[in-house]
Amino acid sequence: AQSVTQLDSQVPVFEEAPVELRCNYSSSVSVYLFWYVQYPNQGLQLLLKYLSGSTLVESINGFEAEFNKSQTSFHLRKPSVHISDTAEYFCAVSDRYNFNKFYFGSGTKLNVKP
Amino acid sequence: NAGVTQTPKFQVLKTGQSMTLQCAQDMNHNSMYWYRQDPGMGLRLIYYSASEGTTDKGEVPNGYNVSRLNKREFSLRLESAAPSQTSVYFCASSEGTSGSGMETQYFGPGTRLLVL
Repeated sequence: AQSVTQLDSQVPVFEEAPVELRCNYSSSVSVYLFWYVQYPNQGLQLLLKYLSGSTLVESINGFEAEFNKSQTSFHLRKPSVHISDTAEYFCAVSDRYNFNKFYFGSGTKLNVKP
Repeated sequence: NAGVTQTPKFQVLKTGQSMTLQCAQDMNHNSMYWYRQDPGMGLRLIYYSASEGTTDKGEVPNGYNVSRLNKREFSLRLESAAPSQTSVYFCASSEGTSGSGMETQYFGPGTRLLVL
C-alpha cells in the first residue's frame, strides 16, 4: 500500500507571503497525485491533480504543484496567499494498479494571518 | 444539484448501539466511498463501491458494513459502536467504474460521530 507524508501539520503565514506545503509519497509505482482542500466544517474539494504530461499543474486560484518523480514529491505552492486560503490541505495518491483506492496524507493546516 | 449529501450531520451513540449513516449523490456517479477522518491521520478508506451491487473493503473495514442500495445511495452501518469509532465520516463519489485512479472524488459535508 501507498503511504503519503505531509511533513508539516500546521503552517502559519502572513497574508501576501509565499507558502509551500510539502508532500512525499512512498511508492515508485506509477501514481496519480492530488491536492484537496477542506474549509472549516465542509467536505474536501479538489484543488488540482497530476495525471500525466507537464509536471507542473495549476489551480484556478493561484496554487501550483510540481510532480518530482525522482524525489517522490508533489509539493504545493502559492506565491502570495490570501486570508481566504486558510484551510486544511490534503495530499492524496492513487495507485494506477489498485482500483480506485486513494491514500491521503495527514493534512496541513494553513493559517493565513493579516 | 445538491452533489453529495449525508445524514445525520452529528450523532452521539452509546457503546454497543447501532446506527446507519446515509449518503446520496445526484451526479449519476458509478463509484462511491466511505472514509473516516481522525486527527493527525488524514482520511482512511473504509469501504467503496465501484458500481451498483458491488462493494469492497478498504483500509479499515472492521466494525462496519455497507450497502449500495441503488446507484444514488450508499449507506454505512455500525452494528455495535465502540469508542474507537468516534470520528468524522465522509462519503464521496466519482464518475466511472474504470478503476483508473484518475478520477476526482466529490465529498459530502461529513457526519460527526461520538461514541461514549
